[in-house]
Amino acid sequence: EVQLVESGGGLVQPGGSLRLSCAASGFTFTTYSMNWVRQAPGKGLEWVSYISSSSSSIYYADSVKGRFTVSRDNAKSSLYLVMNSLRAEDTAVYYCARDARDGDFDYWGQGTLVTVSS
Amino acid sequence: DIQMTQSLSTLSASVGDRITITCRASQSVSRWLAWYQQKAGKAPKLLIYKASSLESGVPSRFSGSGSGTEFTLTISSLQPDDFATYYCQQYHSYLRTFGQGTKVEIK
Repeated sequence: EVQLVESGGGLVQPGGSLRLSCAASGFTFTTYSMNWVRQAPGKGLEWVSYISSSSSSIYYADSVKGRFTVSRDNAKSSLYLVMNSLRAEDTAVYYCARDARDGDFDYWGQGTLVTVSS
Repeated sequence: DIQMTQSLSTLSASVGDRITITCRASQSVSRWLAWYQQKAGKAPKLLIYKASSLESGVPSRFSGSGSGTEFTLTISSLQPDDFATYYCQQYHSYLRTFGQGTKVEIK
């Protein structure tokens, strides 16, 4: 069974940093591209970042470029998102999602809540 | 970036109704479009990929159509489990984008 489990969320002050993790199991992690998608409270979905299976291609939404860094450790079947210079508008549930084929997302984690507030 | 617009934020319908949700792209995305269903407090679920391909395990009452800039998701006979929010997503560009969502509520 495919499972994606996020962790690392919590309360952080504006300007602070946080590192999210996504532990994958039930599939060959090394052969899939991965994504981070977020959802602010009561709002819609916003794609955040993409990383290819070998980490050779990485993309970010304009709203987080220069502040967030995505990475993966294929040996540990894990995906990461380091978030710096956090702002109130980064408050959201952050999901990791597997690229199914060409960019649609077939499996999602349960999400981890990040709250940026003083 | 490619902007995705879902014209209706809320759609009121009854069990058994046939409903259609529309999604428009700011430029052509060919057929690189997916539809998701999300229920409150849960992660989204993939329904349709490549505009009209049904994801494994998804009931056949869901269907998708369109290409270029205009797309639709149709539910042929609305079931109680279908009351949820639906999002379109383009993946023509590596900068993926979602529509703002259409909430299907009970009339």
